[in-house]
Amino acid sequence: AIQLTQSPSSLSASIGDRVTITCRAGQGISSALAWYQQKPGKPPKLLIYDVSSLESGVPSRFSGSGSGTDFTLTISSLQPEDFATYYCQQFNSYPYSFGQGTKLEIK
Amino acid sequence: QVQLVESGGGVVQPGRSLRLSCAASGSTFSTYAVHWVRQAPGKGLEWVAVTSHEGSTSFYADSVKGRITISRDNSKNTLYLQMNSLRPDDTAVYYCTRVPPRRLGGMDVWGQGTTVTVSS
Repeated sequence: AIQLTQSPSSLSASIGDRVTITCRAGQGISSALAWYQQKPGKPPKLLIYDVSSLESGVPSRFSGSGSGTDFTLTISSLQPEDFATYYCQQFNSYPYSFGQGTKLEIK
Repeated sequence: QVQLVESGGGVVQPGRSLRLSCAASGSTFSTYAVHWVRQAPGKGLEWVAVTSHEGSTSFYADSVKGRITISRDNSKNTLYLQMNSLRPDDTAVYYCTRVPPRRLGGMDVWGQGTTVTVSS
């Protein structure tokens, strides 16, 4: 199984900040990576697929990059609604796997 | 607009069985793969299982292999998860989700989840 390690596990930031979350895969996963946002009591919401493709309806302040084993999710200017937990997920091979999550909190 | 609605969760004793269902709206259910993903209380997301669009191929997480079976009935637009020999660490919210047709990954539609509690 491919392990995904996110860093940091938690992050405090202010409105308007630029934030980057990293996801490292235990082996190469090509471009088979997605990012999700989850708020308490809600299902996850797809933000990015195929490393850098923005899901329809997701604000352009979200972007993804990377290849091979190292990937990043960037939020260019934090908005109040962005405070949530973020997960990366690989779909290169089964069993699929998620990172452990990064909780983004207000400073 | 595709919607997924899970049902069948509840409180069950260790070692017992439970079957979850996920009803999909729309006429395109047979065109996409569907997955189950779970989340234990206060924990992260864990991928559980997938079945292909026609139901002929399935894969499972190591943690559930041999105890859980995913299936689908395309004539009823319904996905199932048969869970046997349940353990306390199966306690979680179970979500059904899909990958859109013609895409390899990225789960774009999620149900609201159904809660399974395994406890004596």
